[in-house]
Amino acid sequence: DTGVSQNPRHKITKRGQNVTFRCDPISEHNRLYWYRQTLGQGPEFLTYFQNEAQLEKSRLLSDRFSAERPKGSFSTLEIQRTEQGDSAMYLCASSSDGDTQYFGPGTRLTVL
Amino acid sequence: AQSVTQLGSHVSVSEGALVLLRCNYSSSVPPYLFWYVQYPNQGLQLLLKYTSAATLVKGINGFEAEFKKSETSFHLTKPSAHMSDAAEYFCAVSPGSYGGYKYIFGTGTRLKVLA
Repeated sequence: DTGVSQNPRHKITKRGQNVTFRCDPISEHNRLYWYRQTLGQGPEFLTYFQNEAQLEKSRLLSDRFSAERPKGSFSTLEIQRTEQGDSAMYLCASSSDGDTQYFGPGTRLTVL
Repeated sequence: AQSVTQLGSHVSVSEGALVLLRCNYSSSVPPYLFWYVQYPNQGLQLLLKYTSAATLVKGINGFEAEFKKSETSFHLTKPSAHMSDAAEYFCAVSPGSYGGYKYIFGTGTRLKVLA
């Protein structure tokens, strides 16, 4: 059990650019979650997958955001045409039993 | 719908003193409740969870929490604070199978431990 990994750990981009983050869950965890955490706030739910199916998306996930989990293993979160308001820590978590989520270290995005 | 309120965005205690971090929740279904700790530039680490079994839950590093349905509370305590406990603590509620097990987090409490 190597834990949840996220890459990159840090990303600096210019406004208007596209970015993609990757999350590798704990192996055999069938559920995968994405959260966003801004400074001084708790994480906010964005979306989650059960295997490869995306079962729920938050209203926070605008049309510029898309997430995939093509083979039910790793997941990617893409943000198109980034805005300064997208600057945040993006956290990924996985679970097998439904109730306990294990979090990765996060990807910190800075949009200039 | 679910929500979490953490009273006190900053709490300071002396080393060796009792730690009490407050969490109140609102839930339309039987809740699952969690406490996570976050150290700077790191992800969240689970301290303990309540999932409808025993109301007094013991976690890692000497922390415990008690689920009180009548008070809709799930406060986190530790009898004696250590310097290493300085971190940010998040309470979270989940609707469980009623809502995909997603978490709703509070805004966090930053714990400072004074020597």
